[in-house]
Parts: sequence; structure tokens; C-alpha cells
Amino acid sequence: QVQLQQWGAGLLKPSETLSLTCGVSNESFIGYYYSWVRQSPGKGLEWIGEINHSGNTNHNPSLKSRVSLSVDRSKNQVSLRLRFVTAADTAVYYCARGRIFISYFYMDVWGKGTTVTVS
Amino acid sequence: EIVMTQSPATLSVSPGERATLSCRASQNIDNNLAWYQQKPGQAPRVLIYGTSTRATGIPARFSGSGSGTEFTLTISSLQSEDLAVYYCQYYNNWPPRVTFGPGTKVDIK
Repeated sequence: QVQLQQWGAGLLKPSETLSLTCGVSNESFIGYYYSWVRQSPGKGLEWIGEINHSGNTNHNPSLKSRVSLSVDRSKNQVSLRLRFVTAADTAVYYCARGRIFISYFYMDVWGKGTTVTVS
Repeated sequence: EIVMTQSPATLSVSPGERATLSCRASQNIDNNLAWYQQKPGQAPRVLIYGTSTRATGIPARFSGSGSGTEFTLTISSLQSEDLAVYYCQYYNNWPPRVTFGPGTKVDIK
């Protein structure tokens, strides 16, 4: 059963760069897009962007200028970097596997989430 | 840009009763809609995709319906473990973008 394990720094100062990594285990890395989704305290879900094994990316326009997504195929890992963080970037960050059935997209496997605080 | 709205914001239902959650899109999204359940302190879990297809392992009491701009998630007989926030999600094929609704919190009455 595929698992997504996340790690990265949990406490940042304003203007620093958030850096998180998501490792995919127990199943093929190829053929899926991996998304990053965040949830600010007490708020809803916000999609940040997605990347596939070839490095093709799609972004939320509202964050695109500060976001970098990357992939390490040799390690089955995807990474998120978010530059110039502020308190508004304080959130739980999730990685999730996206899949498409016919033309319907959904995220079927999620990491446990990483809490990032900017203070 | 398509905007997703959900109603009500909070729904209180007694165990065993039916819960009906609504999701509306600002434009026609065909059937490209998924529903997620997020329990307190947990990551979201997909319940429904393609408007009405239950994801693997999801109990039959969860069902989805709708088309175009109006969608519904129904929990036929609410269980105490269904206490959660439920989000609808739309995927725009081009340019690719994921949009979540603001969520409906289901309380056990």
C-alpha cells in the first residue's frame, strides 16, 4: 500500500524559505501527479501545486511567484519550496497523490501533514 | 475562475438520520467533482470522485449526486464517526488547477 512520508523544518522566521519533502514508498512513483495542499489554522484546504515524475508542474496562480516544485526520481521524492514566508504561510502542509479516472481527478493518498509555523 | 461554495457551513444531525451536504460551482464543471472527509487532527480522505463513484473502502452510506453546477453528498444514516468537515473539490483540466470548497462541518446532535 502506497505511503507518503513528509518531512521538513517546522519553524521559520519571516522572509525565510519553507522547504518540505515528500517520499513515496511501496508503489510506483511514475504515472501520478503529486500535489501540495495547505491548511491554515481553523481554515479550509488550499491547493499549492503539483508535479509529476517528469518534472511537469502546475501551480496555484496565487502562490506561483514564490513556489518551486521539484522531483528526485532516484529517491521517489517530491519537494516544495516556498520563498519569503510570512505569518500568513503558517499552516499544515500536506502532500497528496493525484490520479485521474477517465477525466475525473481526485487525490487518493495523503501524507500525515507537516505543521509549519512562521514567527 | 470557477468558485466553489458549500452549504450549510455547519450541519447538526442526530445519529441514524440523513445528512445532505451541498456544493455549488460558479460555472458548469460537468461531473469533475470529488468529496473529501477530514476528521479532527487528520489528513483529508477521499470519499467520492466523478460526482458519484465511491472511493475504495468507503461505506455505502456515503453517496454523491448532481451535475453541472449543483452537487450533493448524502450520508444516509449518520454514524458518530462521521463527525468531520466535508470538502468538495473541482479539477480544472486546462489550465490544470485544483479548487476546494470552503467545507461543511457535520456535528453529531
